[in-house]
Amino acid sequence: GESVGLHLPTLSVQEGDNSIINCAYSNSASDYFIWYKQESGKGPQFIIDIRSNMDKRQGQRVTVLLNKTVKHLSLQIAATQPGDSAVYFCADDNQGGKLIFGQGTELSVKP
Amino acid sequence: DAGITQSPRHKVTETGTPVTLRCHQTENHRYMYWYRQDPGHGLRLIHYSYGVKDTDKGEVSDGYSVSRSKTEDFLLTLESATSSQTSVYFCAIKGNMNTEAFFGQGTRLTVV
Repeated sequence: GESVGLHLPTLSVQEGDNSIINCAYSNSASDYFIWYKQESGKGPQFIIDIRSNMDKRQGQRVTVLLNKTVKHLSLQIAATQPGDSAVYFCADDNQGGKLIFGQGTELSVKP
Repeated sequence: DAGITQSPRHKVTETGTPVTLRCHQTENHRYMYWYRQDPGHGLRLIHYSYGVKDTDKGEVSDGYSVSRSKTEDFLLTLESATSSQTSVYFCAIKGNMNTEAFFGQGTRLTVV
């Protein structure tokens, strides 16, 4: 069946460094991917998305890269700040509107 | 914030009792979702709806049923609650395919 997984459950970075969070997916028919950020005690919040006809998309301090050949996507956060500390999820919105999440990576930013 | 409300926000119930969680939206969005979140498992899809009276199973649907009789409400029912259903439940809404989903604040359910 379909699944979305992450390579690392935790990531610790120094404030000001760049962070890279990785995600793998299994459904080759998936055509839309989203990254969410979840702070403690809150629901997930949208960060950035990418469609399968793109390889890269940039937002404010965030970039998502999509490699369809190896079914892998990554979230890059530039100049990581303490406020970026949270759990990050990739999600696969495959055909039919079924939205499947990965397990999440907990990002910890050290001052 | 997206107009999405979950109720109740917290509930403690006994094993074997029925429980219904409600998700209410004011955005007229087509898609609605129920997830559960447990440590080490991320967000797992229970059921979702793609329209009034149109629902489908997710990854962990056993022991749960849903109903959507009108656009704004999506109900999740545990027919006979078990301790393994102790979790935080999130509702999400989405307007169309390939658009972002918005989440509610979550319902913490404890089955004792």
